Amino acid sequence: EVQLVESGGGLVQPGRSLRLSCVASGFSLNDYAMYWVRQAPGKGLEWVSGINSNGGTIGYADSVKGRFSISRDNARNSLHLQMNSLRTEDTALYYCASPAWPHQLTPFNYWGQGILVTVAS
Amino acid sequence: SYVLTQPPSLSVAPGETASITCGGSSIGVKSVHWYQQKPGQAPVLVIYNDQTRPSGIPERFSGSNSGNTATLTISSVEGGDEADYYCQVWDGTGDVFVFGTGTTVTVL
Repeated sequence: EVQLVESGGGLVQPGRSLRLSCVASGFSLNDYAMYWVRQAPGKGLEWVSGINSNGGTIGYADSVKGRFSISRDNARNSLHLQMNSLRTEDTALYYCASPAWPHQLTPFNYWGQGILVTVAS
Repeated sequence: SYVLTQPPSLSVAPGETASITCGGSSIGVKSVHWYQQKPGQAPVLVIYNDQTRPSGIPERFSGSNSGNTATLTISSVEGGDEADYYCQVWDGTGDVFVFGTGTTVTVL
């Protein structure tokens, strides 16, 4: 069974940093594109960033460009999101997601349960 | 930036048909995916590449895409279909994924 489990969230002050992780089980991340999607409280889904199977960055949402950085560690079957210069508007539930087929960019078949990031003073 | 517009809400009686639209400029040339999200849960893919159902998704869910509008149709709506629904496309111009604004479906 495929599982994605996020970690690393919590309460952080504006301007500080946080690093999210997503560990996969039931499949090897090596050949899969991976993504971060967030959802602010009571709001809709917002794509944050993606990374393809060879480690190349697919892109970043304009709202996080220059502040967030996506990476993957295939040896540890994990995905990461380094979030710097956090703002109150970054407060959200962060999901990692992936397609079901190797070397495909879409759709997002698998989702974690999400990890909450709260940016507040 | 590319924008996908959905009606904020839709109410439908059990057994009836719900049609959720997703409007975007020339969306018909893009591949559209649809996700269902129930309260407190992660999204679930219900339609991909405009009209294909993943395994385990009931045949009551179908999709179409043409011109400036993509549509998710839920036939014979059941109480368990109450959820938020989001469309999604890849915007190659901006190299970003875009989600629609979301539609809350209420079963009366």
